[in-house]
Amino acid sequence: EPEVTQTPSHQVTQMGQEVILRCVPISNHLYFYWYRQILGQKVEFLVSFYNNEISEKSEIFDDQFSVERPDGSNFTLKIRSTKLEDSAMYFCASSEALPPGNEQFFGPGTRLTVL
Amino acid sequence: DAKTTQPNSMESNEEEPVHLPCNHSTISGTDYIHWYRQLPSQGPEYVIHGLTSNVNNRMASLAIAEDRKSSTLILHRATLRDAAVYYCILRTYSNYQLIWGAGTKLIIKP
Repeated sequence: EPEVTQTPSHQVTQMGQEVILRCVPISNHLYFYWYRQILGQKVEFLVSFYNNEISEKSEIFDDQFSVERPDGSNFTLKIRSTKLEDSAMYFCASSEALPPGNEQFFGPGTRLTVL
Repeated sequence: DAKTTQPNSMESNEEEPVHLPCNHSTISGTDYIHWYRQLPSQGPEYVIHGLTSNVNNRMASLAIAEDRKSSTLILHRATLRDAAVYYCILRTYSNYQLIWGAGTKLIIKP
């Protein structure tokens, strides 16, 4: 069964450093998403991406964040200058078609620890 | 966005049916009802969704009230693997994102 994959599974970085989280969505999917979940808290939407541009973003997704689909398979989330409060699980998701009647498929997540 | 209300937690015995309720009294006519779950230390996983009619798939059934102001996710025979947080989420055409609440933590007792 096709699945979303994410690398690395765990990333440790120093405050102020740049990190890139990588995702490989399901191959025939057209819509891509990033969510995050701070330990013990709710899942929060960050950004959605379609046709090589951002289609929706939350207030969390400020100028420190960017997304890119550099080739036909990868989808990346970059945090330019990490803060302690960026420590969280980051989940990538993809869907085949537009909401609302289509499910999103999630990856296993990347645990980001900012020291 | 229309909101949902779910119990914080529920307990059930293994191999018994589980009914997880969700209230969404402000649902609009174009809102779909989605259910996802998150097993411990894993990413969220799609369970089922519906608009007006009851729905069945290999994982669960979704029963939607006639006025659509509430719905119930039914796990027909819970296993220990079904222990997770279950989220009821409303989605409309204008939203790409999923808006998550606190969900219901389902505890399965052997």
